[in-house]
Amino acid sequence: AQTVTQSQPEMSVQEAETVTLSCTYDTSESDYYLFWYKQPPSRQMILVIRQEAYKQQNATENRFSVNFQKAAKSFSLKISDSQLGDAAMYFCAYRFEGGGADGLTFGKGTHLIIQP
Amino acid sequence: EAGVVQSPRYKIIEKKQPVAFWCNPISGHNTLYWYLQNLGQGPELLIRYENEEAVDDSQLPKDRFSAERLKGVDSTLKIQPAELGDSAVYLCASSRGGQYNEQFFGPGTRLTVL
Repeated sequence: AQTVTQSQPEMSVQEAETVTLSCTYDTSESDYYLFWYKQPPSRQMILVIRQEAYKQQNATENRFSVNFQKAAKSFSLKISDSQLGDAAMYFCAYRFEGGGADGLTFGKGTHLIIQP
Repeated sequence: EAGVVQSPRYKIIEKKQPVAFWCNPISGHNTLYWYLQNLGQGPELLIRYENEEAVDDSQLPKDRFSAERLKGVDSTLKIQPAELGDSAVYLCASSRGGQYNEQFFGPGTRLTVL
């Protein structure tokens, strides 16, 4: 079974600084997808960034970028120029489409605090 | 485009009572998911629908939980009878399918069982 581990329950960063959230996962598959979702207090899950495992190039979306290390099964999220609106729970998620499965497997989340 | 709609947003019930949650996915999204999110945890998949068919319900506790998506659009998740441990947020998500298959989430229903 696939598992996703986020070892940082909480992270704090000064506004305008850079922060990196860690995620590791366990899978025996070679082709899969990885995601970072943001969940503000309103509870609405919002997709931040995604990565296809077959792509070696790290995904980037504006101030958000990932460091995808397939051999190490590591998928960290870097947030540059942190803003107050970035404060939220961040969940790392894994998806493998095959054998009838197609749901997301989530980590436990990292609570990101932005210090003004 | 309207997002995933869920109702109610909050529900408080006594244990052993029944409860139902409703989800309306984004128009044109054939795949619908129900997730359970306990406090301080990430969501866990309960059931996935492809149109009207429940294609993955392996994590749904079938003794007390049931779900339906009769016309392949709206879906209802029911618990009967509710237990104290069912207190959680129930999230609905939908996707169009295809290569990226991005899942769009609703705001969830927070259930409190007293």
